[in-house]
Parts: sequence; C-alpha cells; structure tokens
Amino acid sequence: GAGVSQSPRYKVAKRGQDVALRCDPISGHVSLFWYQQALGQGPEFLTYFQNEAQLDKSGLPSDRFFAERPEGSVSTLKIQRTQQEDSAVYLCASSLRVAGVETQYFGPGTRLLVL
Amino acid sequence: KQEVTQIPAALSVPEGENLVLNCSFTDSAIYNLQWFRQDPGKGLTSLLLIQSSQREQTSGRLNASLDKSSGRSTLYIAASQPGDSATYLCAVRRGYGQNFVFGPGTRLSVLP
Repeated sequence: GAGVSQSPRYKVAKRGQDVALRCDPISGHVSLFWYQQALGQGPEFLTYFQNEAQLDKSGLPSDRFFAERPEGSVSTLKIQRTQQEDSAVYLCASSLRVAGVETQYFGPGTRLLVL
Repeated sequence: KQEVTQIPAALSVPEGENLVLNCSFTDSAIYNLQWFRQDPGKGLTSLLLIQSSQREQTSGRLNASLDKSSGRSTLYIAASQPGDSATYLCAVRRGYGQNFVFGPGTRLSVLP
C-alpha cells in the first residue's frame, strides 16, 4: 500500500504558538518513530511507540514536546510554545518485523520554521 | 552511548569516478546498519540494509560493507553519475524496536 505520510509538509509558526504534526504509518506497522533533523545534520531520535504504547521518549528535548498514538496507528507530535530552535524537519518512520528482519520506512517529513 | 561519524563531510567528483564513503560507529553491538540517501528538502530513501550477521550488500552500482568488530562500514559507488548527487547518511540500530543513530552525512556532488 502507500508509504508513510506526514502532514503538513511545511509549517510556519510564530514563536510561542503551538503546533501539531501528523504521521500516518504504513497500515499494520507496529512500531513508529519520530526523529528531528536540524539543518545540515543527521536525524536525531525523539520518541518510539509500539502500537499505542510510548516505550521510549528519551529523545524529546523538553517538556514542550509531546507525542501520542492513541489507537496504535496515526501519531501526532505536538510542540507547545514553539521556539526558534525548534525549527527543523520532523521525520516519522514505521516498521514491521518480517521473518526476523525489521526495516524502517521513513515519511517525507514536516519542515517546521519558527519565526 | 552510540556515536556515528562519517568521512568525508563533503565530496565533489567528476562524473564516472568510483568513490567510497566511510562510516564509523563506536559501539559494535548493533542489530543492523543502513545507508540512506537524502535529496535537498526531501525525506530519506533507503539504499542498502546490512544485518549484523552480514558482511556486505549490493544493489546495482552500490555496494556496502560492514566490519562490526572495527565499527566501520563503507559505501562504494561505481561509475558515479550527476544523479547520484545527494547527502548520504549512515545509521545503526542496537536492536529490534530500537531507534536509529545517524551520522551527520556526506554531501556528494558529481559534476558532469
């Protein structure tokens, strides 16, 4: 079926605004990851879900960042009171383990610019 | 804590050259290693995935090798083309359900 999709693709926010970024994983994929990619850098891990359970949120940079996946499919990454340093591309990936091999599939990302 | 580095940071070559991109990681206890390509303003495209038990993977003009004991991987691109111009990212995972740790990438320009 379709790959991982993310929306919006681009978001401009004024400093202090709240934003919500959506990820639609591949249907049936149990695992879902969020990454943050600053300009000119490799992606960095934010948080991980297995179905609806958030098993690892060690990468979230502050308590302004919150992620959820209430029904084990679509996930939302919310950033409250955005700051300029939050400007980055936010990537979502989903994965499924088949025959002992797990492959992560990445979405196109949401490019967030905080002014 | 796993750290991934990539050398060189940027590379510019004339079309037709064979080239090697290098990736190093500090913790050899990995589940797999994956090479990605990223075009400007785009997401990640998977190129090659090497499981920890494997030594290399090949796809077309691309060949990736893995030496777990030394913490190194190389991506070999044969007969480079201008369309190969992109940033190449190396990433490792510690286990199933674990996140990737990415390197900073190598920015490749292939000149016609």
